[in-house]
Parts: sequence; structure tokens; C-alpha cells
Amino acid sequence: GAVVSQHPSWVICKSGTSVKIECRSLDFQATTMFWYRQFPKQSLMLMATSNEGSKATYEQGVEKDKFLINHASLTLSTLTVTSAHPEDSSFYICSARETGLVWQPQHFGDGTRLSIL
Amino acid sequence: GQQLNQSPQSMFIQEGEDVSMNCTSSSIFNTWLWYKQDPGEGPVLLIALYKAGELTSNGRLTAQFGITRKDSFLNISASIPSDVGIYFCAGQLTGNQFYFGTGTSLTVIP
Repeated sequence: GAVVSQHPSWVICKSGTSVKIECRSLDFQATTMFWYRQFPKQSLMLMATSNEGSKATYEQGVEKDKFLINHASLTLSTLTVTSAHPEDSSFYICSARETGLVWQPQHFGDGTRLSIL
Repeated sequence: GQQLNQSPQSMFIQEGEDVSMNCTSSSIFNTWLWYKQDPGEGPVLLIALYKAGELTSNGRLTAQFGITRKDSFLNISASIPSDVGIYFCAGQLTGNQFYFGTGTSLTVIP
């Protein structure tokens, strides 16, 4: 089945550091990938939709300059949390949908736990 | 973004019992999905529903796409300890608009 790989699994860093998270679709091409944020015991909240070769679409309230998204190829999207602060600590999850199959469900990576000290 | 109302919020059941949870929305969705998430991991797709009224099974799991397209339910029969986790529904409005439910935490007591 479809596999989405997310890296790294866990990041601990100092306040003010920028952190990059990668999301790769391993056995399919994904024109569109999605980035979610999840706080403990809460649901997934969509942050942005990443579109290959174009700008990401951000949900209301998500700072574009804070959460930089790059989708340079059909199998890779990256999320960079710039100048991270403790309030950015969270579980970040990406998902991908196979290109050309609009109604195919999203497949998720295993998430990245970000802890800012 | 939109959020789907999922109930119950949590369930504690004995092994072997059946489980039922549902998801409702004020919006009409074109697709309903059910995912299971284990702690520290990403959600894993359980069942996808594409038509109003559709009833789909995956092993001991059965899910239905409500006829109004505003709700869906998931049943788990004869629960086992490995069913423990958080179950999320998700509704799809368009190709790029997915919204998740608030989650149902399931605990199975051996």
C-alpha cells in the first residue's frame, strides 16, 4: 500500500532555531501533500496544503512566514518552522494523496514530535 | 477550518464487546474516512466511503456514509486489546479539503 515517510521522528532544539521536517511519498507521486499539527489528546488541525511547483495554501491563522513549505518534487514536501519557540512544540504530521486520484484518501506519515526548549 | 463532532469522546469496554461511534457535521461531505491513530504515530486509514448510504466492511470494522451526507458511523465487532487507540473520522469537501473529527479514544479491558 501507499507509504509516506516523515523525517525526523523527534526533534529537540533550542528556542530560536529553525527546524526542517521532510515528508516523502515512497511508492507514489503526490502533487498535493498536507501538513497538520496535533496537540496532545486533540484532533489533527490542517495547517497548509502543499502543492508541487507552486505556493502552499495556508489555513486561516497559520503564519506563512513562520511555517515555510516547499514542495519541489512530486515525492517531497518540507515544512520549516522558522525561529521556533516553546509554543511551537507539537506533533507535526504530513499526509499525501496520489496524483490524479482526486478522491483517493490521504495517507499519513508517522509524525514528527517537535520539542523547543 | 471546519471540525466534525465525534462521539463518544472516549469509551472503556470489555474485550469481546461491540463498539459504535459516530461523526456529525453541519456540512455535506463527498467522502467520509475513518482513521485509527496509535500514540506517537500518524493516523492509519481504516475505511473510505464514497457514496451516500454506502456501507463498507473491513474485517471486524463496518462503516456507513450517512444518507444526508452529513454523518458517518463506525462499528467494531468483538473488540480485542489491539483495537485500543484513537479513532478519527474525516470528511472531504473537495479534493484538497479534508477535515478531522474530534476523535474517540477507545480502551479495551482484557
